[in-house]
Amino acid sequence: LAKTTQPISMDSYEGQEVNITCSHNNIATNDYITWYQQFPSQGPRFIIQGYKTKVTNEVASLFIPADRKSSTLSLPRVSLSDTAVYYCLVGAPISGNTPLVFGKGTRLSVIA
Amino acid sequence: KAGVTQTPRYLIKTRGQQVTLSCSPISGHRSVSWYQQTPGQGLQFLFEYFSETQRNKGNFPGRFSGRQFSNSRSEMNVSTLELGDSALYLCASSLGWRDLPLNTGELFFGEGSRLTVL
Repeated sequence: LAKTTQPISMDSYEGQEVNITCSHNNIATNDYITWYQQFPSQGPRFIIQGYKTKVTNEVASLFIPADRKSSTLSLPRVSLSDTAVYYCLVGAPISGNTPLVFGKGTRLSVIA
Repeated sequence: KAGVTQTPRYLIKTRGQQVTLSCSPISGHRSVSWYQQTPGQGLQFLFEYFSETQRNKGNFPGRFSGRQFSNSRSEMNVSTLELGDSALYLCASSLGWRDLPLNTGELFFGEGSRLTVL
């Protein structure tokens, strides 16, 4: 399983763009990169998934460089409600035979 | 469409007892995964079931077991409870690896069962 490394915590002011970077040096060819968001006392929620280059949806953008050894989750103009733990996962949920493993995540605190 | 339902939401047990937690996946989902979440260890994978078969198992002692029924509902059991088993137990369902070619493998989590062992 590809191991991921991400910052333990980050602080940001409301309205700012937040970028959370995840390192995954031993990512495999068929691995995808997926990000989840978790609020206190709730289960994680899928945010975005990508394989290479850039993916954007209504919530976030995911930037993946050509070597795919890292990825950056970008949250535009964060609000207080974006305060949560963000998990970066690497795996092959579609064709692989191994489960998605969550790390410790990045605790994002948005300040007014 | 109903989400993932976990029961009970809260329960208190004493050391040495056993507990059974239930998870009803989203209709049509055939894969169910279980995770244990504690403040110190984060979100740890317990096991994963697909079509009534355990596909993967995390690094937990044999006291932790699970099963999946033909309707995809799943249960997990913890026997001989220890204080350290106090945690939020999360269940997640997904379509399953080979159901759809464009399946992202997205996990849909329930709200969890919070177990306190005294």
